Amino acid sequence: DAGITQSPRHKVTETGTPVTLRCHQTENHRYMYWYRQDPGHGLRLIHYSYGVKDTDKGEVSDGYSVSRSKTEDFLLTLESATSSQTSVYFCAISAQGEEETQYFGPGTRLLVL
Amino acid sequence: GESVGLHLPTLSVQEGDNSIINCAYSNSASDYFIWYKQESGKGPQFIIDIRSNMDKRQGQRVTVLLNKTVKHLSLQIAATQPGDSAVYFCAEIGGGGNKLTFGTGTQLKVEL
Repeated sequence: DAGITQSPRHKVTETGTPVTLRCHQTENHRYMYWYRQDPGHGLRLIHYSYGVKDTDKGEVSDGYSVSRSKTEDFLLTLESATSSQTSVYFCAISAQGEEETQYFGPGTRLLVL
Repeated sequence: GESVGLHLPTLSVQEGDNSIINCAYSNSASDYFIWYKQESGKGPQFIIDIRSNMDKRQGQRVTVLLNKTVKHLSLQIAATQPGDSAVYFCAEIGGGGNKLTFGTGTQLKVEL
């Protein structure tokens, strides 16, 4: 998984609770991404980062926030989880100069009850 | 709209046969394409990529063909093995955009 770990790998939570997912990379890549994957949809971009403290929204950013205080870590927070956020979340990374080529982590399966 | 459950197009092949998985894209300005393989419970794995200045690229047991005229991409897997069973999907980028657009995928099943 290209030097990418995600934690936790599985989580069950209740509606209204905050949830933070962590992506950690050992590649020192500049770019990091959070996607969600749902049946019937391709991977959809939630947020991405192009450097420490530099982030931007993707196509499905509502209800999510991110932070990147170190090159190696990219955090995704669901401020108040909803059932519609039940999904599999993937982190991806890409290197400067090869931004288009993204490598994915193993994923986090989140169930919001 | 979103479908209930996962109903991907499925391609069933016999072990040892060649597989061809297709992908149509809509953005004529796309200039970079990737094929990913995703096994059950795992993250997408990069297989091979191709730029729009090429129409064919080969890797180990895999070949990607790009037909820009009809906006079609295909992945050919030679001598398909049980370990090739997975969902395969394409991704594209280009036209001044900086984000990959992903297809929903094709389920490849290898029969023994």
